[in-house]
This record gives sequence, C-alpha cells and structure tokens, in this order.
Amino acid sequence: DAGVTQSPTHLIKTRGQHVTLRCSPISGHKSVSWYQQVLGQGPQFIFQYYEKEERGRGNFPDRFSARQFPNYSSELNVNALLLGDSALYLCASSLESGEQPQHFGDGTRLSIL
Amino acid sequence: QKEVEQDPGPLSVPEGAIVSLNCTYSNSAFQYFMWYRQYSRKGPELLMYTYSSGNKEDGRFTAQVDKSSKYISLFIRDSQPSDSATYLCAMNGYGGATNKLIFGTGTLLAVQP
Repeated sequence: DAGVTQSPTHLIKTRGQHVTLRCSPISGHKSVSWYQQVLGQGPQFIFQYYEKEERGRGNFPDRFSARQFPNYSSELNVNALLLGDSALYLCASSLESGEQPQHFGDGTRLSIL
Repeated sequence: QKEVEQDPGPLSVPEGAIVSLNCTYSNSAFQYFMWYRQYSRKGPELLMYTYSSGNKEDGRFTAQVDKSSKYISLFIRDSQPSDSATYLCAMNGYGGATNKLIFGTGTLLAVQP
C-alpha cells in the first residue's frame, strides 16, 4: 500500500508569493496533519483536519491556511511568503482524529529567495 | 522552557555499540510516546510507539517510558551504519481533541563502521 504522498517534492519561490502544497493520506486514513520542520529542529504542528473540519491549529500566522477534501486529501496554503517560511513541510495521517501513531510523508522542501 | 527536551548531539558510536537516546518532558498529560527516525531529505519514519508507561521491544530497538520521572528512552542494540540518522521523540496527550504531536529537536546519530 502507498504511504503518505506529498507534492511537489521541492519548490522555489520568492518573497511575497503564494504557495500550495498537497498531501494524500494513507488509504483509509481520515485525519491529516501538517508540520513545519526548520533545519536542525523538530517538526512544529501547523494544522490538523479530520472529516474536512479543522481539529487543531498551531502557533502560525493567518498567512497559513489549509483544507481537506472529501477524499481526505489536503492542501496547505501559505500567502505572502517570507524568507523564514523556508522549511520542510510534512504531512502526517492517521486513521481517526486523536489516534496515534501518525505516519509521515517525505515532505515538500520549500525554499524562499 | 520547552515542553520536550532532547540532546541534539551529534552522537558518534562504533558499529556494534549500544546506543541510548533520551527525552525529558514537562507536560504530565502526555500519554502517547513515539520515536521516529529521519534520514537526510526524508520524512520521519515511525520506529516505536508506546502508550503510557512501560517498555516495548522490537528487534534491536527498545523503548522505555517513565512517566513518574517524565523521561523516555530509546535503546538500539548492535548498532549498524544504516542506523545513522536523526532520531526524534514525539508526544501527544490531548486525547481525541487533536492529533498534535510535540517533538524534541532530534538527536543526530552517526554509527562508524
């Protein structure tokens, strides 16, 4: 079975631009979470979605938004990109909300110039 | 003070050594404890998952949780060069409300052949 898949794998943007990152969870998994991992740090929680509803939000500005589709895939959107948004963006899925463990994709590496 | 503290290393050991990796935490509500392994340019891969206190063994890996001391450990026996990676501890204690994981900063391990 396929694991969590994310696209694109690598993206280069300039300051002020907008970006959309995509995630497909493991088949049968209904919960999707997004994390930001800056070099040398552990992942930081951004959002969790379950059954298309937001179930959790981390300490990130309103420039970050997300949504989940009926097929449980998800998008993370970031507006007005800043240099500090350069990071590895990870998607994780689990069967249900509140259920552990979560399984991660290989992420999208976002570079801001 | 961070909720989860982890020594970033780097930790260098000879092949065949026993490796001990540790995390401490401050939130007594944490109930789910995970260890992830992350290779360079890859997403975190689940190694061990423990609920509440106790020990869990899987092959060369043993996870221990001591909730009274707020301390978790991962032991790797007969370490191999292929074990060279960053090891992340992660915790959750929010019940069904959210899947939010709190990560340590990760420990970089190098196993020398």
